[in-house]
Amino acid sequence: GESVGLHLPTLSVQEGDNSIINCAYSNSASDYFIWYKQESGKGPQFIIDIRSNMDKRQGQRVTVLLNKTVKHLSLQIAATQPGDSAVYFCAESVFGGSNYKLTFGKGTLLTVNP
Amino acid sequence: GAGVSQSPRYKVAKRGQDVALRCDPISGHVSLFWYQQALGQGPEFLTYFQNEAQLDKSGLPSDRFFAERPEGSVSTLKIQRTQQEDSAVYLCASSLLFGGGAVYEQYFGPGTRLTVT
Repeated sequence: GESVGLHLPTLSVQEGDNSIINCAYSNSASDYFIWYKQESGKGPQFIIDIRSNMDKRQGQRVTVLLNKTVKHLSLQIAATQPGDSAVYFCAESVFGGSNYKLTFGKGTLLTVNP
Repeated sequence: GAGVSQSPRYKVAKRGQDVALRCDPISGHVSLFWYQQALGQGPEFLTYFQNEAQLDKSGLPSDRFFAERPEGSVSTLKIQRTQQEDSAVYLCASSLLFGGGAVYEQYFGPGTRLTVT
């Protein structure tokens, strides 16, 4: 039968380097965006979020950039560590909608080499 | 404190069997979501509860899928007459409250991996 493989975009970096993970979102009405980290066998874990009235937000070692013109989101991780190895998903939502259901992107597999 | 818990963590079902997946949200969380995550894909929304009310079930793929949260706490996702395409990880998430112009973080459980043979 047909095999289904993992066709995730991948990013491989050296420990200590900065990582940039990109995401294109689909719904121009989306105004709330979140980055999640998912390790093998675990549920997604919140990293950072941003509202559409901002174009940049910083957290601890992470920065999210939002470009609404081209519907693009990026996650920058400074001084990447082996513990950062995981799949990273961007998610979008419509703030003020009937609920905050999230629409996730495909994900990027980040591998940090020691 | 305890996070979102799900049981069982793994479930193998023969095609045609019914399964029930349980979610225990964080205590006091009003909102509860179910997502389906196929291998190598991002989670996809299935349904949403606010307390015991199911406000959105637009993501349920067929009428074989049914979710309930009768007392506004624990939720069960039931899949009847399972098919191979139902094989996936089923994730539950809860958040503190909806409304008031604020956004509340969704906390995810570890998921239940369902394999239909």
